[in-house]
Amino acid sequence: DSGVTQTPKHLITATGQRVTLRCSPRSGDLSVYWYQQSLDQGLQFLIQYYNGEERAKGNILERFSAQQFPDLHSELNLSSLELGDSALYFCASSVSRDRGSSGNTIYFGEGSWLTVV
Amino acid sequence: AQKITQTQPGMFVQEKEAVTLDCTYDTSDQSYGLFWYKQPSSGEMIFLIYQGSYDEQNATEGRYSLNFQKARKSANLVISASQLGDSAMYFCAMRELTGGGNKLTFGTGTQLKVEL
Repeated sequence: DSGVTQTPKHLITATGQRVTLRCSPRSGDLSVYWYQQSLDQGLQFLIQYYNGEERAKGNILERFSAQQFPDLHSELNLSSLELGDSALYFCASSVSRDRGSSGNTIYFGEGSWLTVV
Repeated sequence: AQKITQTQPGMFVQEKEAVTLDCTYDTSDQSYGLFWYKQPSSGEMIFLIYQGSYDEQNATEGRYSLNFQKARKSANLVISASQLGDSAMYFCAMRELTGGGNKLTFGTGTQLKVEL
């Protein structure tokens, strides 16, 4: 158990709908990352938050948004869903904003399987 | 931008044997970190081992060790005494600094199958 908790584990929804994926980082971790894993794109970085602030942005679509709350949990919102958004969405967390001897390890949650039909 | 290359799409190894999974990387940064993760068929991403670019010794974690050759820009994962439960996809990744934050860039993975 990595200590990173993601809900829901599985989600099936229709095209055009909106879903919210939730992530609770490991205790003490201030950084939260979101990744998307699909068969054709592999593992893609979406976005990073550190202590409530956006710190790094990857190939995140405009239809997607995220935020990190004061209690450090994070949500990834996916709207106007398309078939191609079907993927495994990972949340990960680490202690530090960038790096440091105590913040080197990045732990992943078990992922949220999203199927768009 | 950083790049991670895993040239072995699939590997087979017999139980109790050692296996090396290859990873090469490309970066212009002087300070970076390299990670290996295991992804079983159930989907979760399990952290295995980390190597910092300034670490003088190769990282080890139980049966996992990282053969870090900085000049060759390689960070191969060695699994000793393979077990059936080691069958999984293995990803090499590099931490890249991006402005005020960071991200991991992943390779395409190596599917490892441990046989009796």
